[in-house]
Amino acid sequence: KAGVTQTPRYLIKTRGQQVTLSCSPISGHRSVSWYQQTPGQGLQFLFEYFSETQRNKGNFPGRFSGRQFSNSRSEMNVSTLELGDSALYLCASSVRDRGQGANVLTFGAGSRLTVL
Amino acid sequence: GENVEQHPSTLSVQEGDSAVIKCTYSDSASNYFPWYKQELGKGPQLIIDIRSNVGEKKDQRIAVTLNKTAKHFSLHITETQPEDSAVYFCAASLSGTYKYIFGTGTRLKVLA
Repeated sequence: KAGVTQTPRYLIKTRGQQVTLSCSPISGHRSVSWYQQTPGQGLQFLFEYFSETQRNKGNFPGRFSGRQFSNSRSEMNVSTLELGDSALYLCASSVRDRGQGANVLTFGAGSRLTVL
Repeated sequence: GENVEQHPSTLSVQEGDSAVIKCTYSDSASNYFPWYKQELGKGPQLIIDIRSNVGEKKDQRIAVTLNKTAKHFSLHITETQPEDSAVYFCAASLSGTYKYIFGTGTRLKVLA
């Protein structure tokens, strides 16, 4: 069973540019969440998507956005990049049901973004 | 606001010894507490979790305990091995929200 796949794994951008990151969840998982990981702030919740709708959002500026497609794949976008956006962006998927799988997140390897 | 404190930030133990990592959460409505292990260049991997209706859970060398009254939960690793060396994160979540509040991580070094 394939895990959570994130692309690209590494990318370098300059300030002011925008970036789009992609996430393919585990087959059958309908919920996708995004987290930002930095040495200073640790792992911080960005947003969660289920059935193509954003269900929950963290405390990030509007430059951070996302979407989910009908096949559960998700993308996140960061516009007008700032140096502080340099981070590992992690995607996680979940079955989002009421059974034992409820709340269990499986993470991908992440996309490491460097902003110069 | 919601917060999870994790201690210690670094922990070095001799191979074969036990390691304990402690977390405290602020939101009393939290009812799901996973622990993740993150190795260099990889995403966090779930190693054990516990729900608020259980006080303790064990899986081979790993155990987690939960004290709801004190809002504390801890990870216990026995008979540590070099491959246990990694960064460990605790998290707290309210069931159904799919929003995890993570601790700041513990870098565990197991010395051979």
